[in-house]
Amino acid sequence: DIQMTQSPSTLSASVGDRVTITCRASQSISSWLAWYQQKPGKAPKLLIYMASSLESGVPSRFTGSGSGTEFTLTISSLHPDDFASYYCHQYNSYPYTFGQGTKLEIK
Amino acid sequence: EVQLVESGGGLVQPGGSLRLSCAASGFTFSNFWMSWVRQAPGKGLEWVANIKQDGSETYYVDSVKGRFTISRDNAKDSLFLQMNSLRAEDTAVYYCARDPVSGHDYGDYLLKWGQGTLVTVSS
Repeated sequence: DIQMTQSPSTLSASVGDRVTITCRASQSISSWLAWYQQKPGKAPKLLIYMASSLESGVPSRFTGSGSGTEFTLTISSLHPDDFASYYCHQYNSYPYTFGQGTKLEIK
Repeated sequence: EVQLVESGGGLVQPGGSLRLSCAASGFTFSNFWMSWVRQAPGKGLEWVANIKQDGSETYYVDSVKGRFTISRDNAKDSLFLQMNSLRAEDTAVYYCARDPVSGHDYGDYLLKWGQGTLVTVSS
């Protein structure tokens, strides 16, 4: 199985900050990676697919990059609505797997 | 509007069974791969299983193989998860989710999600 390791597990930041979340795969997944945002009590919401493609309707301050085993999600300037949990997800091979998540908190 | 509505969750004893359902609307259900993803209380997301448009292919995470069965009824626009031999570690919110593109031969990322149904395995 492909293990997905996210870092950091928790990130404290302020409105307007630029933040980066990293996701590492235990083997190459090419660009078969998605990022989701989840707020408490809600279903996940797709942000990025194919490592760097922005889902329709998602603000352009969200950027995904990487390929192979190293990926990043960057939020260029945090808005109050961005404080949530974020998960990476590999869909290169079965069983599909998620990272353990990054909780983005208000500093 | 795409809607996915899960049902069937509840409290069940260890070793028991439960069948989850997901009612789909707003799109041509038979054209899409469908998945189940779960989230234990306070924990991260775990992909559980998915199924091809015609049900001819199914895939599972190792921890549920032999205990859970994913299936679908395209005539009723419904997805199911039959869960047997339930364990405490199966306690989670179970989400039904849909792939982004119709007609693919392979499973993909997850674009549309339901709101989830809670399964609690406890004596």
